[in-house]
Amino acid sequence: KAGVTQTPRYLIKTRGQQVTLSCSPISGHRSVSWYQQTPGQGLQFLFEYFSETQRNKGNFPGRFSGRQFSNSRSEMNVSTLELGDSALYLCASSQQATNEKLFFGSGTQLSVL
Amino acid sequence: GESVGLHLPTLSVQEGDNSIINCAYSNSASDYFIWYKQESGKGPQFIIDIRSNMDKRQGQRVTVLLNKTVKHLSLQIAATQPGDSAVYFCAERDNQGGKLIFGQGTELSVKP
Repeated sequence: KAGVTQTPRYLIKTRGQQVTLSCSPISGHRSVSWYQQTPGQGLQFLFEYFSETQRNKGNFPGRFSGRQFSNSRSEMNVSTLELGDSALYLCASSQQATNEKLFFGSGTQLSVL
Repeated sequence: GESVGLHLPTLSVQEGDNSIINCAYSNSASDYFIWYKQESGKGPQFIIDIRSNMDKRQGQRVTVLLNKTVKHLSLQIAATQPGDSAVYFCAERDNQGGKLIFGQGTELSVKP
């Protein structure tokens, strides 16, 4: 069974631009969560989706948004990029909306110049 | 302002020795805990989990211990191997089925 797939693997953007990251969960998994990982803050929760509905949201500004499609694939969008948005963005999936046994992808490394 | 990186606790062990990685969690209402291993350039990899109604759970070469009295979690790795070198994260989940909150991580270095 294929793991969680995130695309693109690397991304370079400039301040003010926007970016969309994609995540394909493990087949059969209906819950998708997004995390931001930085050396300064560690792993920070962004949001969680289950059956196309946002269940939980972290403490990030409104520039960060996401959605989930009917096939459980998810996207997150960051608008008006800032230098501080440079980070590894990780997507994780699980079968149910219980946040148990999250399986992570390899992440998208975003650099904002 | 200047961003200061997290100073990860580090643990250095000799190959073949047992490793114990500790984690203090914050919420006494947390009902589920999980350990992840993250190697350089990869996403976190599930190791083992435990519910709050248990004190101990064993996997292959790993054991997780939960002490709810002092809100402490530990991961024991038996016969540590060079391939175990990585950053290890613990995470807790509040009892409302909420999000996972991750600890800062511990860097394990295994000397051959």
